[in-house]
Amino acid sequence: DGGITQSPKYLFRKEGQNVTLSCEQNLNHDAMYWYRQDPGQGLRLIYYSQIVNDFQKGDIAEGYSVSREKKESFPLTVTSAQKNPTAFYLCASSPISDTQYFGPGTRLTVL
Amino acid sequence: AQKVTQAQTEISVVEKEDVTLDCVYETRDTTYYLFWYKQPPSGELVFLIRRNSFDEQNEISGRYSWNFQKSTSSFNFTITASQVVDSAVYFCALSEGLGDMRFGAGTRLTVKP
Repeated sequence: DGGITQSPKYLFRKEGQNVTLSCEQNLNHDAMYWYRQDPGQGLRLIYYSQIVNDFQKGDIAEGYSVSREKKESFPLTVTSAQKNPTAFYLCASSPISDTQYFGPGTRLTVL
Repeated sequence: AQKVTQAQTEISVVEKEDVTLDCVYETRDTTYYLFWYKQPPSGELVFLIRRNSFDEQNEISGRYSWNFQKSTSSFNFTITASQVVDSAVYFCALSEGLGDMRFGAGTRLTVKP
């Protein structure tokens, strides 16, 4: 089946640890995105990538890092520099300048 | 700067009622795209519709309809004869180009049986 997968679904992190969230797509989309959603709020853009080996910061990139070594994959690392990382993280992909389609999300909780 | 406002935080209706979700946007561009997404309790955003700024025709898809009015910068979403399965958070979003989609805060719709 074509689609976007995110893993894990739930993730727990101790303070001071880095964690990496996985996002894979087999839709042959050029662009990929990471968003953060906090309770009762809309989505905020963390990073996006329009092509392999290139990515741009979104509105809230501080404390996060990404890589785009393959077209299909866009992992997000939440570093210890992110002061309030507990949130729901959504990955999306799209053809360039077209509709974004979302994965099922990863819920990160800092213990 | 682009901005999307969904003034209705929560709406509760009884099954079979019609309900309209409001969306007002701000942009300086003449070319832009408007979207609606549905977020059920599972969390995944489900794409509903995309409209470009040059197409003001209203659209109907089953029980769903959308009213795009550039004069009032609004892109409202109506569900006719609502059902319990329509209960979700609905997001309106605006894009002016690459990677710059802006979401509203969302409207939580509860449809009671």
